[in-house]
Amino acid sequence: QVLLQASGPRLVKPSETLSLTCSVSSDSFGDYYWNWIRRPAGKGLEWIGRIYGSGSTNYNPSLRSRATMSVDRSKNQVSLKLNSVTAADTAVYYCARLAGSGFDFWGQGTTVTVSS
Amino acid sequence: SYDLTQPPSVSVSPGQTATITCSGVKLGDKFTCWYQQKSGQSPVLVIHEDSKRPSGIPARFSGSSSGNTATLTISGTQALDEAEYYCQAWDRTTAVFGGGTKLTVL
Repeated sequence: QVLLQASGPRLVKPSETLSLTCSVSSDSFGDYYWNWIRRPAGKGLEWIGRIYGSGSTNYNPSLRSRATMSVDRSKNQVSLKLNSVTAADTAVYYCARLAGSGFDFWGQGTTVTVSS
Repeated sequence: SYDLTQPPSVSVSPGQTATITCSGVKLGDKFTCWYQQKSGQSPVLVIHEDSKRPSGIPARFSGSSSGNTATLTISGTQALDEAEYYCQAWDRTTAVFGGGTKLTVL
């Protein structure tokens, strides 16, 4: 079984940086892509980006280079930083594992609100 | 950017067949996945690689894809199938989700 747990500040001020960490319980952490996906209230799912166990990354071009992901293999953790946030970044943020073409394990989601 | 289009809502009576479509340019040339998301819960993968069911997903869920359209079919729909459903595909190294379809079981 694979368990993912996202954590981080629930409230971020506009123009500041959102920071989240996903702790992964998995035997093969380094063999998969780990992803961040969000769902703004009243809207659909949006893929933010992915990071492989080796550290290689891909991001959604729509975020215009505001997102940065990193990996700590010693702790089985992946992190997300999203800078220059606005109210539009208020969402439930999920971390998820990519297996083949689909996301087969998801964390429980953490709500982040951007507000002063 | 690549877009996937889903109908905002679909209604079905219990026991009937629900069909949810997902449209995108040459979508049949890509693999489509489908996710079920119930209120307050995380999404669950119900179909991957167009038509494969992950372990634990009931056989009433099936998928197909051809041309510009992928389809999720739920046979013998049950009340517990009421949820938001999302299609997803890859455009090179970017994952793209459809806008979601709210399935109502009346």
